[in-house]
Amino acid sequence: NAGVTQTPKFRILKIGQSMTLQCTQDMNHNYMYWYRQDPGMGLKLIYYSVGAGITDKGEVPNGYNVSRSTTEDFPLRLELAAPSQTSVYFCASRPTGGSPYNEQFFGPGTRLTVL
Amino acid sequence: AQSVTQLGSHVSVSEGALVLLRCNYSSSVPPYLFWYVQYPNQGLQLLLKYTTGATLVKGINGFEAEFKKSETSFHLTKPSAHMSDAAEYFCAVTKNQAGTALIFGKGTTLSVSS
Repeated sequence: NAGVTQTPKFRILKIGQSMTLQCTQDMNHNYMYWYRQDPGMGLKLIYYSVGAGITDKGEVPNGYNVSRSTTEDFPLRLELAAPSQTSVYFCASRPTGGSPYNEQFFGPGTRLTVL
Repeated sequence: AQSVTQLGSHVSVSEGALVLLRCNYSSSVPPYLFWYVQYPNQGLQLLLKYTTGATLVKGINGFEAEFKKSETSFHLTKPSAHMSDAAEYFCAVTKNQAGTALIFGKGTTLSVSS
């Protein structure tokens, strides 16, 4: 198993540009999450999904959109990039069954800079 | 609402010394507690977790944590630090509700000197 994979690893955007951060997991997990990590702030939840076709907002969803058409993929869309979206983005997934104490598996992250 | 507070954004120890990273939580329901470690330029890796039962939890790489309900704490310890322990450590909490995500503390960076 490759686990949770994210692409790209690095990206520089200009203000107002759009892009999609890709996340794929091959563990057949129902639950998937997008977090952003800012220095000294820990990780904040952007969006999450409990299964294909079902998504919900997290703590900091403004400026982002998600979709979940398959179990494997959970892309994060930035429509109009702003400097405040400069961050490291992590995708995570959790095993099927929904037990909240099951381990979340994290991808390696995407480092995004908006200039 | 749930929250996590990690005391000390940066902890420095000598190799072989005790490691103590502090975590306090706030939760209106019985919490599930986690410690994750992040090595430079990598994703997060689970160190250990507390769900129910034994309050002293052992994890990977010689780390352990004790859940103390009366003190609302879940401090992470390791008897003897190794250079390879240098990383950022995150305490997190979640509640017993399907789909809920982790709520993270702000993290503590551990430095180990020789």
